[in-house]
Amino acid sequence: DAGVIQSPRHEVTEMGQEVTLRCKPISGHNSLFWYRQTMMRGLELLIYFNNNVPIDDSGMPEDRFSAKMPNASFSTLKIQPSEPRDSAVYFCASSFGQGSAEAFFGQGTRLTVV
Amino acid sequence: AQSVTQLGSHVSVSEGALVLLRCNYSSSVPPYLFWYVQYPNQGLQLLLKYTSAATLVKGINGFEAEFKKSETSFHLTKPSAHMSDAAEYFCAVSDPAGGGNKLTFGTGTQLKVEL
Repeated sequence: DAGVIQSPRHEVTEMGQEVTLRCKPISGHNSLFWYRQTMMRGLELLIYFNNNVPIDDSGMPEDRFSAKMPNASFSTLKIQPSEPRDSAVYFCASSFGQGSAEAFFGQGTRLTVV
Repeated sequence: AQSVTQLGSHVSVSEGALVLLRCNYSSSVPPYLFWYVQYPNQGLQLLLKYTSAATLVKGINGFEAEFKKSETSFHLTKPSAHMSDAAEYFCAVSDPAGGGNKLTFGTGTQLKVEL
């Protein structure tokens, strides 16, 4: 398997524009996570899906952020409108099973909002 | 809620010296605990995990960690540091809420290895 695939790897956009980040989890995995990493706040869980259903979105910063998982092999994280403070590295991760299951991370998308 | 605390955001060791990265957890139930490593411009990679089978857990690249319930700790060690160990290390705890394994990460410890 190619692992968790995220696209794009880098995104530079202007403030106010819509940004869509994409993630393809590892085939067969039933949990998917979106994390955001910044120097100031570290690694934050934004949202967590299990069997394509959002379980916990308490980490989503505000209504400008939305995430979907229309099927087991694809998820998107959308920011609309984007702001400079959204600049960060966004990671997608997937896992199979419960509790002790390892989460596999993608390479991340580095988002810069200017 | 489950959480982990990593003491020391930056640790510097000499090549060949002992590596000790500290992690304490807070959990109302027996936890599953993990250590991940992040190399520059990459995603996180699992080093090792504790699942209650054994308190001393061995991972990749010569790392190991010991679960100590009495101290609520899960410190990461390596007997002899190598330059290639320079990276950021994250401790994490799993919450099986919703049928999965939601991971909550610590703030990370940047390991620097000097000649």
